[in-house]
Parts: sequence; C-alpha cells; structure tokens
Amino acid sequence: AQSVAQPEDQVNVAEGNPLTVKCTYSVSGNPYLFWYVQYPNRGLQFLLKYITGDNLVKGSYGFEAEFNKSQTSFHLKKPSALVSDSALYFCAVRPFNDYKLSFGAGTTVTVRA
Amino acid sequence: EAGVAQSPRYKIIEKRQSVAFWCNPISGHATLYWYQQILGQGPKLLIQFQNNGVVDDSQLPKDRFSAERLKGVDSTLKIQPAKLEDSAVYLCASSLVGGNEQFFGPGTRLTVL
Repeated sequence: AQSVAQPEDQVNVAEGNPLTVKCTYSVSGNPYLFWYVQYPNRGLQFLLKYITGDNLVKGSYGFEAEFNKSQTSFHLKKPSALVSDSALYFCAVRPFNDYKLSFGAGTTVTVRA
Repeated sequence: EAGVAQSPRYKIIEKRQSVAFWCNPISGHATLYWYQQILGQGPKLLIQFQNNGVVDDSQLPKDRFSAERLKGVDSTLKIQPAKLEDSAVYLCASSLVGGNEQFFGPGTRLTVL
C-alpha cells in the first residue's frame, strides 16, 4: 500500500525567506509524485509533478521540488516566499502502474509580511 | 478551458437525510474521480470512473454511498442516509485517460447535523 507523510502540520516563514514543505512517501515500484495547493473554499490546484528524468522539478508560481529516491522524499521549495503563498499544501503519490493517488494530510503554510 | 464544475457548493442536512452532489468534468476527460476530504486530512478517493464504467470503488461505503456516471460525462454522488461522520468536503476531479494530472473542482462542503 502506498502512503505519504507530511511531518509538519504548519510552516511559518517571513516574506522573502526560503520556503520548504517536507514530504516523504512509500510506494511499490517507481513513484509518480505530485504537489497540490489549496486556497480557502477552493479546490486543489496542481503545482508540479515528478514522473521521471531530472530529480529537480520546476512548477507553477516559482515552486520547485526535489525527488530523492534514497530518502524517499519529495520536498517542495520556493527560494523567496510571498504572502500570497499562504495556503494548504498537499503531497501525493501513486505507483507508476496505478492511477490511484494517495495524499498526505497537508501542511498549512503561513507567510508573514 | 472551463474547469471542473460542482454543485451545490454548500449543503447542510440532518443525519439520516439523503443528499446528492453533481459534477461536470472538463470536456474530453474520460476519467472522473470523487474524493472525500475530512477536515484536517488529505483527500481520500471514493470512486473512479472511466467513461461510464467503475474502475475503483474499493473505498466507497456502499451501504450508504452510491455514484453513477450514466452517459460518461456528468456524475452524481449520493449519500443515503447521511451520518454525522460524513461531514466533509466532497471533491470531484477529472483527467484524460492515462493522464498524470488530475484537475479538481471547487468541492461541495457537506455539514451533517
């Protein structure tokens, strides 16, 4: 069975500082990994994905994530956070041969001005 | 391109009542998903359709939940009778067949009193 862990319920950073949201996963075989963001009263919005290839993936709104197979991690990063990045972030994983996505519990990011 | 549409956006019912949610996926997306997102948790897949056939309903509580996608486009999710623990946001998502990215609707927030 596949699973995702987001060890931090909340991340607080000052605007302009680097932002990191952690994610580790467990899956059989090669993983397909995703990050989604959710704003209040909105659905999930896709940020980026790792399928294969370069371990550093670039996505929307200046976000990037690094796939680390040995550590089974897929941490989300942004070099300089904005107040508008304040939202709920979800990491998700699925096996390469199955379309069933498993989500983490989410990390609430608060960026203070 | 229009996104995934869901209605209603909010619903309040009393326990033991029935409720139905509607989803219209992105045009051309043959795969449709229903997720349940309980407060403080990540979305959990309830059912996945491809066209009008069920691909995975292993986590759908079939004694009270049902879903259909009769013409392979719109879908409805029904709960009958509702329980207090069904209070959640119900998200609909769609994707192309074999597509890696799922596109989410805004969700329906259900409160069961």
